[in-house]
Amino acid sequence: DSGVTQTPKHLITATGQRVTLRCSPRSGDLSVYWYQQSLDQGLQFLIQYYNGEERAKGNILERFSAQQFPDLHSELNLSSLELGDSALYFCASSVGTSGAQSEQYFGPGTRLTVT
Amino acid sequence: ELKVEQNPLFLSMQEGKNYTIYCNYSTTSDRLYWYRQDPGKSLESLFVLLSNGAVKQEGRLMASLDTKARLSTLHITAAVHDLSATYFCAPYFGNEKLTFGTGTRLTIIP
Repeated sequence: DSGVTQTPKHLITATGQRVTLRCSPRSGDLSVYWYQQSLDQGLQFLIQYYNGEERAKGNILERFSAQQFPDLHSELNLSSLELGDSALYFCASSVGTSGAQSEQYFGPGTRLTVT
Repeated sequence: ELKVEQNPLFLSMQEGKNYTIYCNYSTTSDRLYWYRQDPGKSLESLFVLLSNGAVKQEGRLMASLDTKARLSTLHITAAVHDLSATYFCAPYFGNEKLTFGTGTRLTIIP
């Protein structure tokens, strides 16, 4: 158990809908990262927050957005869902930033199925 | 373009044998991470390699980093069934993010 929690574990929804994934980092960690893992795209970095501020952006679609709250938990919002958005979404946390050589610890993931 | 290639993509090996997984990357990186993932599960950190020539060992796994060759290896010694998993390397290229390799799915056959 990494100490990173994610809810829900599974989510099934229809195309065009909007969902919110939630992540609570390990105690003391300031950075939260979001990743998408799918069979065709592999494991892709989406976005990073550090102490409430957006720090880095990867291959995140405009339909997706995220934020980190004052208590450091983070939410990833996915809207206008398409079948291709079906994937495993991981959250990871670290004490500092990757630039500061901080190791990332991954949560259990949320499996999103869009039908 | 940042590329991370792992070889092989799939590996079946018998228990007790040795093998090496290779991770090649396209541009300069001063550190690299190895992760393990069991089917349907999360990623577990195995090794953090922070400098050229770094070597780390844990049990039957040993990882090394050659930053000049842009190559990292994960060596498996005397494989056991518990090592069956998918292994990912992830070099750090800057800009705060890790770029993950394609993964190597390892199956240990009794």
